[in-house]
Amino acid sequence: QQQVKQSPQSLIVQKGGISIINCAYENTAFDYFPWYQQFPGKGPALLIAIRPDVSEKKEGRFTISFNKSAKQFSLHIMDSQPGDSATYFCAASGGSNYKLTFGKGTLLTVNP
Amino acid sequence: DTAVSQTPKYLVTQMGNDKSIKCEQNLGHDTMYWYKQDSKKFLKIMFSYNNKELIINETVPNRFSPKSPDKAHLNLHINSLELGDSAVYFCASSPQERGVQTQYFGPGTRLLVL
Repeated sequence: QQQVKQSPQSLIVQKGGISIINCAYENTAFDYFPWYQQFPGKGPALLIAIRPDVSEKKEGRFTISFNKSAKQFSLHIMDSQPGDSATYFCAASGGSNYKLTFGKGTLLTVNP
Repeated sequence: DTAVSQTPKYLVTQMGNDKSIKCEQNLGHDTMYWYKQDSKKFLKIMFSYNNKELIINETVPNRFSPKSPDKAHLNLHINSLELGDSAVYFCASSPQERGVQTQYFGPGTRLLVL
């Protein structure tokens, strides 16, 4: 049972364009929704995170939009750059054990 | 000043062997994790320790045994390695503070079983 569904599996965007990655979750106990960025040969690193008490969080060119009623959240990358090319993972957690459940990842390629 | 470090970075071994991967964090975090990332990049948690106590133990073959000698270290020992164990194994740590759930990942150990 996959508790966090992520789409698309891969995404190609032109430099300067907007990249959008979507995630949906099932467990209503989830209360923390981070996005991780992973470059080839490196470990995942936290990019931005949101809690369900807000509908949007923006950090620079990265924005999370959160829809609690639909149990969906998305990552928007504005003015996408070739340096943003990486694999992006959404994740969710809730409860006391801090377990993160990851989506299957999206390989983003930004063409120059 | 690496926050979460793993050794070795690469591990190539024969089927049936026993191997260990070591992880150390200097962030002062209470909780540490082991993840497996397969060839399709899927990240799956295996174990989590909080202050040397096992708190998460996913459905993992008992050939895999984590050991936490202290809260800064979490090692992973794998017995009787199989071809399907080939993957990248990531260690991570996080503070055990209310509202702070960021996990910091190590650089990974690339295991290839021949």
